[in-house]
Amino acid sequence: DQQVKQNSPSLSVQEGRISILNCDYTNSMFDYFLWYKKYPAEGPTFLISISSIKDKNEDGRFTVFLNKSAKHLSLHIVPSQPGDSAVYFCAASEGGNNRKLIWGLGTSLAVNP
Amino acid sequence: GAGVSQSPSNKVTEKGKDVELRCDPISGHTALYWYRQRLGQGLEFLIYFQGNSAPDKSGLPSDRFSAERTGESVSTLTIQRTQQEDSAVYLCASSPGASGGITDTQYFGPGTRLTVL
Repeated sequence: DQQVKQNSPSLSVQEGRISILNCDYTNSMFDYFLWYKKYPAEGPTFLISISSIKDKNEDGRFTVFLNKSAKHLSLHIVPSQPGDSAVYFCAASEGGNNRKLIWGLGTSLAVNP
Repeated sequence: GAGVSQSPSNKVTEKGKDVELRCDPISGHTALYWYRQRLGQGLEFLIYFQGNSAPDKSGLPSDRFSAERTGESVSTLTIQRTQQEDSAVYLCASSPGASGGITDTQYFGPGTRLTVL
């Protein structure tokens, strides 16, 4: 049973436009959420995170929004660049001393020039 | 500085053989994780080491899987009597292990692609 769901396996966006990647979760105990980016033949790299006490966190072109009541978060990339083309993973944890991350299946983003 | 490294990058083995995968974490990182990613699946937690504490082995799928870590350095993941369903990319990550209950950023290695024929 997937506790973290990324329902769109792929997304294609034009360069310069906004990319919106979505993630839903079922475990109400999750209180820390992360987005990782993965290029082929490389391990995932950390992108941005958000604690459940916030509803938005911004870092340059990347913004993560959290809607706790809907158990939904999204990653916005504005403006999208061809170098953003990668697989994006949403992950969640219960914080505290539990550092086991529960991962979604990923969304493959293609940014077209 | 050097990131997390893993070896070998690729391993092809025959069903029933034992394999050993190696992870060199970032120097000074006290926490180390092993994950696996099967084709078309998300990352699956296997085991977590934090300093000298007993490892969290709750993600190991069977007793054929084991892992060791020497102090706060190298870790090896051993799979005995490999089966075809063990075919996956095995990823290692390390993190600083900061206190305060805040989830550390995990830094991943490039993974070992294991193929069991």
